Amino acid sequence: EAQVTQNPRYLITVTGKKLTVTCSQNMNHEYMSWYRQDPGLGLRQIYYSMNVEVTDKGDVPEGYKVSRKEKRNFPLILESPSPNQTSLYFCASSSRDSVSYEQYFGPGTRLTVT
Amino acid sequence: AQSVSQHNHHVILSEAASLELGCNYSYGGTVNLFWYVQYPGQHLQLLLKYFSGDPLVKGIKGFEAEFIKSKFSFNLRKPSVQWSDTAEYFCAVKDTGRRALTFGSGTRLQVQP
Repeated sequence: EAQVTQNPRYLITVTGKKLTVTCSQNMNHEYMSWYRQDPGLGLRQIYYSMNVEVTDKGDVPEGYKVSRKEKRNFPLILESPSPNQTSLYFCASSSRDSVSYEQYFGPGTRLTVT
Repeated sequence: AQSVSQHNHHVILSEAASLELGCNYSYGGTVNLFWYVQYPGQHLQLLLKYFSGDPLVKGIKGFEAEFIKSKFSFNLRKPSVQWSDTAEYFCAVKDTGRRALTFGSGTRLQVQP
């Protein structure tokens, strides 16, 4: 089954404690991205990757890092989480060859930083 | 920068009522337009998309949307809603200069049985 998976689904942590949220897709997609969803703001892109070893900032990259060492994985790293990073995070992927660039979303990771 | 406006933040309807959710975008060039739905506790799923051609597009579950270029709009419609349509709906736009989607703030639809 074609899917995007994220782990963990729920995470409560404390300020300053480094964490990683994993994202994996099994569709051989070149393009992957991370969004955060906040009430009243919709989804905002954090980082994206056009292919292995190619990453770039989205609209709200501050406080986040990413890496793309393998095509299927695109982890999101919070080196020193702060309470304003409490949010719902979605990973998405799409094929570079897709005419309409339809993105497939993961199930989301709800992060709480205290 | 591209922006997307969804003016209805929370809509409450009774079953069988007709639905129209507004979406306006700011970019004046060529765009791809999407409506995504997020059911409670689930991830975003694509409802429908407009890329080119017929401006009236039909999606899953009886939804349709009309692209009106002169009004920069892509409104979502359904003639008769069901309780199972209770969800949050997001309009998204992709312009030709970016791979990323720009999302609206979402509209929460509540359908009462």
